[in-house]
Amino acid sequence: RKEVEQDPGPFNVPEGATVAFNCTYSNSASQSFFWYRQDCRKEPKLLMSVYSSGNEDGRFTAQLNRASQYISLLIRDSKLSDSATYLCVVLRSNSGYALNFGKGTSLLVTP
Amino acid sequence: GAGVSQSPSNKVTEKGKDVELRCDPISGHTALYWYRQRLGQGLEFLIYFQGNSAPDKSGLPSDRFSAERTGESVSTLTIQRTQQEDSAVYLCASSLGLGPYEQYFGPGTRLTVT
Repeated sequence: RKEVEQDPGPFNVPEGATVAFNCTYSNSASQSFFWYRQDCRKEPKLLMSVYSSGNEDGRFTAQLNRASQYISLLIRDSKLSDSATYLCVVLRSNSGYALNFGKGTSLLVTP
Repeated sequence: GAGVSQSPSNKVTEKGKDVELRCDPISGHTALYWYRQRLGQGLEFLIYFQGNSAPDKSGLPSDRFSAERTGESVSTLTIQRTQQEDSAVYLCASSLGLGPYEQYFGPGTRLTVT
């Protein structure tokens, strides 16, 4: 089983739609979680951290369910500029706190 | 301020040749990471440095891969006797230190082995 699993998509949604991405992780000892965004042929950039109580940043909401080892990202009122690949990331507690990445979920927001 | 830089941005090499990839981290960042992203795959962790020490090399795919870092600055990833399966984007990231700090990624080096 892969350490971080995501639905690869693609998700094609119209502008203004709400879209949700899910991710599962296998290491129950994992402590820190993130969503990164990667544009085509660009490097990944941190979108937001994911906290146990859930957290929101503008149109973006992240949730963590430790019991189910499940992470989600909700994007409300999608914009064309949200089109990208969204990477679910789990921090390793060993290996110098390197990041374990999912393969990513591709989102295309259309006019 | 200046972000993480990597060079070259693109490298095409023949199978069997050695290549050296360079990473300049953000000034003051003591932790440095190398990742690889093969086409259609997720990012794969290769190695990390704290200062110039690399305590865990188990992520390196084979003994053809090696890396070093000078002090808390430049790092080089060397691939000897390149193979076609080494073709990937090699990404470097740096962070303030070891821990749940944000990792800032460079633009990557796209390596193509023909």
